[in-house]
Amino acid sequence: NAGVTQTPKFQVLKTGQSMTLQCAQDMNHNSMYWYRQDPGMGLRLIYYSASEGTTDKGEVPNGYNVSRLNKREFSLRLESAAPSQTSVYFCASSPGLAGKNEQFFGPGTRLTVL
Amino acid sequence: RKEVEQDPGPFNVPEGATVAFNCTYSNSASQSFFWYRQDCRKEPKLLMSVYSSGNEDGRFTAQLNRASQYISLLIRDSKLSDSATYLCVVNFVYNFNKFYFGSGTKLNVKP
Repeated sequence: NAGVTQTPKFQVLKTGQSMTLQCAQDMNHNSMYWYRQDPGMGLRLIYYSASEGTTDKGEVPNGYNVSRLNKREFSLRLESAAPSQTSVYFCASSPGLAGKNEQFFGPGTRLTVL
Repeated sequence: RKEVEQDPGPFNVPEGATVAFNCTYSNSASQSFFWYRQDCRKEPKLLMSVYSSGNEDGRFTAQLNRASQYISLLIRDSKLSDSATYLCVVNFVYNFNKFYFGSGTKLNVKP
């Protein structure tokens, strides 16, 4: 089991460029999440998908879009990158079942926007 | 008011010390509770789930007090390798399965 995988690990963009961050999980989890974490700060939820076929905005959705491609994959798209989007992006998943519902994280994508 | 509040620290303790962290949560409907550990610039990793009866895993003990809405983590015999940020997490599985993270408590264990 690979758990939660993310690609790429590092990325540098210029202002205005677009890119998609990929996330996949092999644990058959129902729910998936995208967070960002700025230096010295806590995690902030960007978007989440409680179950396949649904997506919802989190705390900081502006400038991002998501696609829950299937149960395994949840991608995050930056349409026009801005320096304020320089951050570490973590994808996570959880079973979505009462009683055993831990959240597992991918290793993160370190994004710099110049 | 934040859903989950933690003392940011840092807690600076010598090796071998016992240290305790507390965290409070605002929503009494919260269903599941966890402690995560995060090393610098790495992903958060699950340390332990927290149950109403309290639970222990080696040197780590977690307690939940639903009446007072707080969660605690006790670390005994601290090791240098325990230095990290500890995140308190609350989950609402029946509310779109959302997780709420505290901002973290930083622990520095000194030789």
